[in-house]
Amino acid sequence: EAAVTQSPRSKVAVTGGKVTLSCHQTNNHDYMYWYRQDTGHGLRLIHYSYVADSTEKGDIPDGYKASRPSQENFSLILELASLSQTAVYFCASSYRGFSNERLFFGHGTKLSVL
Amino acid sequence: QQKVQQSPESLSVPEGGMASFNCTSSDRNFQYFWWYRQHSGEGPKALMSIFSDGDKKEGRFTAHLNKASLHVSLHIRDSQPSDSALYFCAARGYGGSGNKLIFGTGTLLSVKP
Repeated sequence: EAAVTQSPRSKVAVTGGKVTLSCHQTNNHDYMYWYRQDTGHGLRLIHYSYVADSTEKGDIPDGYKASRPSQENFSLILELASLSQTAVYFCASSYRGFSNERLFFGHGTKLSVL
Repeated sequence: QQKVQQSPESLSVPEGGMASFNCTSSDRNFQYFWWYRQHSGEGPKALMSIFSDGDKKEGRFTAHLNKASLHVSLHIRDSQPSDSALYFCAARGYGGSGNKLIFGTGTLLSVKP
């Protein structure tokens, strides 16, 4: 099964600080995604990428940047963390983008902004 | 904004019972649906997909799709405590959603031994 590894598993950040969440996949998937999970909102797409050195905006990109330096790695960057960005963040990958194929998710990163 | 609505928000069934989840999309362009399951502390994991009208059965899980009413459901027979998890419906959108996968808010299932 596809392996998607996220780091760190949890993080406490201060308001206004910079936060970087990392994701690594080992299954040669072209597409990678960052989702945010909040109670009552399900999973919402922040950014995605279908090729190295290129990223696309999802449904809620404001306040977030993404970086895809290689096929295997995809990072989510919060330049100025805010209280409203406290959430659980999931990285996912798939062979093709948003096709009829399943997404493989990592275990998530719990981010608390204080 | 395109949305995927799930019901109920939470559900409790006895071990061996039937658990049923409902999902309705707000856009007729949603043609392809997935069910994902998320155990506590883990990431979501795909359970099954359904793309055609009618029923699709995989073991104890049965999905039903009615494209005319934009309604999809999932049924788990002989529910086990290990089935206790958060269940998401996800629909693949077109056009304005940029062909993205839209997730519902989830239904929390508790299976009592």
